[in-house]
Amino acid sequence: DTAVSQTPKYLVTQMGNDKSIKCEQNLGHDTMYWYKQDSKKFLKIMFSYNNKELIINETVPNRFSPKSPDKAHLNLHINSLELGDSAVYFCASSLGVGDGGELFFGEGSRLTVL
Amino acid sequence: SQQGEEDPQALSIQEGENATMNCSYKTSINNLQWYRQNSGRGLVHLILIRSNEREKHSGRLRVTLDTSKKSSSLLITASRAADTASYFCATDGRPTPGGSYIPTFGRGTSLIVHP
Repeated sequence: DTAVSQTPKYLVTQMGNDKSIKCEQNLGHDTMYWYKQDSKKFLKIMFSYNNKELIINETVPNRFSPKSPDKAHLNLHINSLELGDSAVYFCASSLGVGDGGELFFGEGSRLTVL
Repeated sequence: SQQGEEDPQALSIQEGENATMNCSYKTSINNLQWYRQNSGRGLVHLILIRSNEREKHSGRLRVTLDTSKKSSSLLITASRAADTASYFCATDGRPTPGGSYIPTFGRGTSLIVHP
């Protein structure tokens, strides 16, 4: 069983479109994250949720809206896609927030905006 | 918030050689973690070292932490072609409203091990 699963793995879309990426974890963790990895491999935190509540929004544009229907799921919806949104988006989870513990990552969702 | 900065950005070695990667950071930390990312895959946790520890081992991996120099190193001994990957350090980064920290990453060291 995959611990943190993301879908889709690849997304190719036109500028201006809206798209969603889904993430689920079956580890029973309380905290989930979205990270963005750019073409230079720099990995940057976007959002963090703890027990369905948003605890970190790292100055991400309003076009990005995370939603956590329950603590096992954290989805990312992106409106009005721009070229600069092209990146690999990683979902991750951890047992608790900021406890210094291990993050478990999904396999990533590669978004290409044309 | 701070992030770890890995050095070198790229490292190319022959199988059997040791690989050393470094991570520097700016402010005091509670712990530091190392992760590995194979091409096209997610990050996988390798090892965590706490601020009161100086060295940790896990198989062929050795991590050191020097809090006075604000730096850590990851040593992979007797490297194998399968060790080819990017290696990231993660430090205490973005603080949450509750006062805890979200792990913050740099851009990693890309290691190539030639067979």
